[in-house]
Amino acid sequence: AIRMTQSPSSFSASTGDRVTITCRASQGISSYLAWYQQKPGKAPKLLIYAASTLQSGVPSRFSGSGSGTDFTLTISCLQSEDFATYYCQQYYSYPPAFGPGTKVDIK
Amino acid sequence: QLQLQESGPGLVKPSETLSLTCTVSGGSISSSSYYWGWIRQPPGKGLEWIGSIYYSGSTYYNPSLKSRVTISVDTSKNQFSLKLSSVTAADTAVYYCARHPHWDCSGGSCYSDYWGQGTLVTVSS
Repeated sequence: AIRMTQSPSSFSASTGDRVTITCRASQGISSYLAWYQQKPGKAPKLLIYAASTLQSGVPSRFSGSGSGTDFTLTISCLQSEDFATYYCQQYYSYPPAFGPGTKVDIK
Repeated sequence: QLQLQESGPGLVKPSETLSLTCTVSGGSISSSSYYWGWIRQPPGKGLEWIGSIYYSGSTYYNPSLKSRVTISVDTSKNQFSLKLSSVTAADTAVYYCARHPHWDCSGGSCYSDYWGQGTLVTVSS
């Protein structure tokens, strides 16, 4: 099974910051990668699929890049509503696997 | 607007079977465009894929749970269901149902574009 890692596991940031989260797969997954945002007590929300395709309705300050084993999620200008935990997920091979998450909180 | 709603007991005894149903509204579970699946999240932990089903009844199960999991679909009620047998405390989690776009899956492996709100199931005597 493919294993996903994320870095950092958590960090503090300020509104207006540009932030980048990294996700790495244990083997190549082409561009079969999704990113989700989860707030406390809520279901995850799809942000990006196919590594870089923005889900409908998601603000353009979110972007994704990468292919193969290394991927990044970038938030260009952090807003108050973006403080949350972010998960990557590979869907290249079965079973789909999620990263452990990156928590972004307020500095 | 598509909505998914999980329902079922919030407390299950060890060694018994956990049973949940997901009711889909605002869309048809019989659409050939989607798989429908279950994902869980133990309290304070990460996400784990359980399995998924197509409207025709074909299923994919996580190998780590395959011996205990059954997912079924009832197209007449626009519902799909999860059964997890022989539960232990390790199965305590928030269980989510979700929709997966079929056209973008790879060998049954998909992402999820719509999620239910989740339901907490606690395994305890």
